[in-house]
Amino acid sequence: GIQVEQSPPDLILQEGANSTLRCNFSDSVNNLQWFHQNPWGQLINLFYIPSGTKQNGRLSATTVATERYSLLYISSSQTTDSGVYFCAALNSGGSNYKLTFGKGTLLTVNP
Amino acid sequence: DAGVIQSPRHEVTEMGQEVTLRCKPISGHNSLFWYRQTMMRGLELLIYFNNNVPIDDSGMPEDRFSAKMPNASFSTLKIQPSEPRDSAVYFCASSLRVASEQFFGPGTRLTVL
Repeated sequence: GIQVEQSPPDLILQEGANSTLRCNFSDSVNNLQWFHQNPWGQLINLFYIPSGTKQNGRLSATTVATERYSLLYISSSQTTDSGVYFCAALNSGGSNYKLTFGKGTLLTVNP
Repeated sequence: DAGVIQSPRHEVTEMGQEVTLRCKPISGHNSLFWYRQTMMRGLELLIYFNNNVPIDDSGMPEDRFSAKMPNASFSTLKIQPSEPRDSAVYFCASSLRVASEQFFGPGTRLTVL
């Protein structure tokens, strides 16, 4: 199955700083999603982005499908951005519709 | 619109007991997924349904685990008998189609003593 690797595993920022999180995947994708797991454990959808670029407020994401990576940008970080950010990818080759998650990036934003 | 609904939110039980987790997907979604999250293994897919039919249950750890989807608006994940190593957060997710964006419920935190 598809392999998903995220970097860095941990990131500590001061409020107001910008950051870039990376997700590498081993095969072509039909589905690529970014999630934020908040301190209460909820998985919040950030982006559905199998290719291209999207922006939502202070967050934006870019997926370069031909080079098999996706980036999540967080600008002007806030303490509420803290949590774990997951990338998940799906490759439907062989009719396998399994969404595979990376291990996540633990982001801590200090005031 | 309501998102994916899961119940209970927390479950504490003793080893050997039967546990049933419930999920109501987003209305109109044709695919439903059950995931488990642990510190050791991260988020892993257990089973998914398309149009109420189980498609891939290769992630179900043992025969103690079973899942059903009797209709488009309800699914259950049952563990019988439960063991301490089953302690985890169990998430249900749904999507419009099988490869579409998935939306997750709040999860059920299961503790087996």
